[in-house]
Amino acid sequence: EAGVVQSPRYKIIEKKQPVAFWCNPISGHNTLYWYLQNLGQGPELLIRYENEEAVDDSQLPKDRFSAERLKGVDSTLKIQPAELGDSAVYLCASSPIIGGPGTGELFFGEGSRLTVL
Amino acid sequence: AQSVTQPDIHITVSEGASLELRCNYSYGATPYLFWYVQSPGQGLQLLLKYFSGDTLVQGIKGFEAEFKRSQSSFNLRKPSVHWSDAAEYFCAVGNSGGSNYKLTFGKGTLLTVNP
Repeated sequence: EAGVVQSPRYKIIEKKQPVAFWCNPISGHNTLYWYLQNLGQGPELLIRYENEEAVDDSQLPKDRFSAERLKGVDSTLKIQPAELGDSAVYLCASSPIIGGPGTGELFFGEGSRLTVL
Repeated sequence: AQSVTQPDIHITVSEGASLELRCNYSYGATPYLFWYVQSPGQGLQLLLKYFSGDTLVQGIKGFEAEFKRSQSSFNLRKPSVHWSDAAEYFCAVGNSGGSNYKLTFGKGTLLTVNP
């Protein structure tokens, strides 16, 4: 079974440019998460989707960040315009429905490392 | 809101020595508890998890962890460390909020293994 797939793995852009990250979750996982991981820190939740609905986006900086999960499967996270402080790793994760097998466990992709110059 | 504290930012051990990584959590009810490991440039891999029942849980790669409710702790242990265990380790706590489920991570402990 394929794991969580993210692309691109690495992206280098200049400040004020836009950037987008793509995530395809594990088949059958209805919950999808985007986490931000700064260097030397633990992951911090940006947004959580249940199917196509964003159920927790309280930590997403909405002035420059946006996300979508149009058909309840893959998702895109966008930053426009990027700032120097956005340099970090953007992790996507998915999980099965709460109460079912694997409850509470998140399965992570390898991340997309962004460098803003 | 739940939180996780990993008191040790960096730990160095010799290969073959025993290991204990500390984790303390804050949550009002019985939490879901996890340990993840992250190698450089990689995503997070689950080592083990606790939901309920036996407070000593076994994970992959010879790791185990013990849930101690009275101490709000979930420390990770391994009796004999291998050089390949060098990585960053994250403790995480999940609430039991069903549709409001949230997983919160600690800041991590970087493990260095000396030959």
